[in-house]
Amino acid sequence: GAVVSQHPSWVICKSGTSVKIECRSLDFQATTMFWYRQFPKQSLMLMATSNEGSKATYEQGVEKDKFLINHASLTLSTLTVTSAHPEDSSFYICSASPRRDTEAFFGQGTRLTVV
Amino acid sequence: DAKTTQPPSMDCAEGRAANLPCNHSTISGNEYVYWYRQIHSQGPQYIIHGLKNNETNEMASLIITEDRKSSTLILPHATLRDTAVYYCIVSWVSGGYNKLIFGAGTRLAVHP
Repeated sequence: GAVVSQHPSWVICKSGTSVKIECRSLDFQATTMFWYRQFPKQSLMLMATSNEGSKATYEQGVEKDKFLINHASLTLSTLTVTSAHPEDSSFYICSASPRRDTEAFFGQGTRLTVV
Repeated sequence: DAKTTQPPSMDCAEGRAANLPCNHSTISGNEYVYWYRQIHSQGPQYIIHGLKNNETNEMASLIITEDRKSSTLILPHATLRDTAVYYCIVSWVSGGYNKLIFGAGTRLAVHP
């Protein structure tokens, strides 16, 4: 199947700093990518839809000024957690599809720990 | 909210078939049923999907009832590596791409 890669796999940052997570589609172009967050022992929660060349669409209850999404190219979307706090510690996962109306492939996830 | 209902957990003996049920009684005509699984601390892995016909691939089989209100994922010969959380998802299209909303899933434990 298609490959989606995230970087970094894990990151530890200090409270109040910002952290950027990258999501790349390695062997296909993706005009749309999705970002999820997963807390321990919970399911994935969709945060936002990342659209190449336009603004991201955020799900209800997700602060767009805190979770900045930039989809500057057809193979890269970034999620920046601004002014991170311990409650932002979570597993962040992205997904993308090679074609419309087909299965999505997920990155390996990024574990963020804010201390 | 997720549009599917799955049992929270199931057990299966290694080498036996694992049959994971899913109810999606409010599914509409153009919505697909997708199955993914997530092994601990990894991103979800695609397994299979279908619209109305039964589907089979190298990983699993998907049986969809005629009224499309429920489906069953079948892992024909479960191994210890199949221990994971399995998610049944009814997808709809957002901007042309499938938007996947995850429910709680079924935690499958395969034991020797």
